[in-house]
Amino acid sequence: GAGVSQSPSNKVTEKGKDVELRCDPISGHTALYWYRQSLGQGLEFLIYFQGNSAPDKSGLPSDRFSAERTGGSVSTLTIQRTQQEDSAVYLCASSPNTVYNSPLHFGNGTRLTVT
Amino acid sequence: KNEVEQSPQNLTAQEGEFITINCSYSVGISALHWLQQHPGGGIVSLFMLSSGKKKHGRLIATINIQEKHSSLHITASHPRDSAVYICAVSGSGGGADGLTFGKGTHLIIQP
Repeated sequence: GAGVSQSPSNKVTEKGKDVELRCDPISGHTALYWYRQSLGQGLEFLIYFQGNSAPDKSGLPSDRFSAERTGGSVSTLTIQRTQQEDSAVYLCASSPNTVYNSPLHFGNGTRLTVT
Repeated sequence: KNEVEQSPQNLTAQEGEFITINCSYSVGISALHWLQQHPGGGIVSLFMLSSGKKKHGRLIATINIQEKHSSLHITASHPRDSAVYICAVSGSGGGADGLTFGKGTHLIIQP
């Protein structure tokens, strides 16, 4: 079956522009996570969705970042007024339940470059 | 916040060698994940464990909850095992706190 799909795979944008990143999780997976991997840095948690519940936004680095998940499936991560420090690979992962008892399935990421 | 430390940061070995990568964390966890990331590639989940030991092919993962320590072993290593291996732990927040990641171990297996 299909894995986690992310689009676009690469995005180059000018500083100050808004960008929208998309994640299609594996069908039936209730948990969806967004992570960020900056050059030379480890993975950083951004936001977590569990089904239709309100998301945990505690990892979002600033109020320029927002995310939504429609119908408990597809998720979009939006970055407004992008800055150069936003350049990173943005990874989406889903799991059947939670990270307590379910392995994560990662997408291939969106490489964002802010010029 | 949990602190996750991996060692070594970089490891170069010859094909066939037995490889050990270590992970320690500072706060009690509900589960520990070992992930693999190939250069330019996505991330693959290798193991998720909360106690004891798991084996999959040439890979073995162990965890000692009391010592807050886990190891990933690779037997009969092969150049295709070259990748970054990442340890990640989940807390007690029902998954809401996501995962806390180590910085990864960059493994190179030379033929």
